[in-house]
Amino acid sequence: QKEVEQDPGPLSVPEGAIVSLNCTYSNSAFQYFMWYRQYSRKGPELLMYTYSSGNKEDGRFTAQVDKSSKYISLFIRDSQPSDSATYLCAMEKGGSEKLVFGKGTKLTVNP
Amino acid sequence: NAGVMQNPRHLVRRRGQEARLRCSPMKGHSHVYWYRQLPEEGLKFMVYLQKENIIDESGMPKERFSAEFPKEGPSILRIQQVVRGDSAAYFCASSPQGDVLYFGPGTRLTVL
Repeated sequence: QKEVEQDPGPLSVPEGAIVSLNCTYSNSAFQYFMWYRQYSRKGPELLMYTYSSGNKEDGRFTAQVDKSSKYISLFIRDSQPSDSATYLCAMEKGGSEKLVFGKGTKLTVNP
Repeated sequence: NAGVMQNPRHLVRRRGQEARLRCSPMKGHSHVYWYRQLPEEGLKFMVYLQKENIIDESGMPKERFSAEFPKEGPSILRIQQVVRGDSAAYFCASSPQGDVLYFGPGTRLTVL
């Protein structure tokens, strides 16, 4: 079983839709959780960073962490064509200094 | 404040040649990380460095790969005697204190 599992998609939605992206993990040592956005042939860009169970909101983006279920989510409200990208979840164990990434979910938002 | 800079952006090498990838971290960042992204795969950790020190190289292949972050100048990821399986995107990231990572645009290595 991989440490971090992420459905690669692809996911295609109409503009304005609510998008839900998810990752599961197997190692309870993960303490820090991140979502990165990666446009084609670019470097990953940090979207959200959280370290506790619960929700964290930033504009149209909400990150949700459920440590008891080992499950994290990213919700995108009012999705835009500019949100079309690959979304990567990443996790870090306390004191480890290295991130473990999911494979990424490719999202297309159609105008 | 310029972001993380990597060069070259694209690098083509023939099997057996050496590849040198450079990374200049963001100003004020003393932590540098290298990750590799193979086609259809997620990013995989390779090595974590601070100035003049390798802190964690647990993700580096045991042979042909090396990394350094000298006191002056960029961090270098060096791949000797490249093989086709080394073809990938190599991303450098930097951090001020080892928490949030900021990634560069990557170097896409193609081995012919």
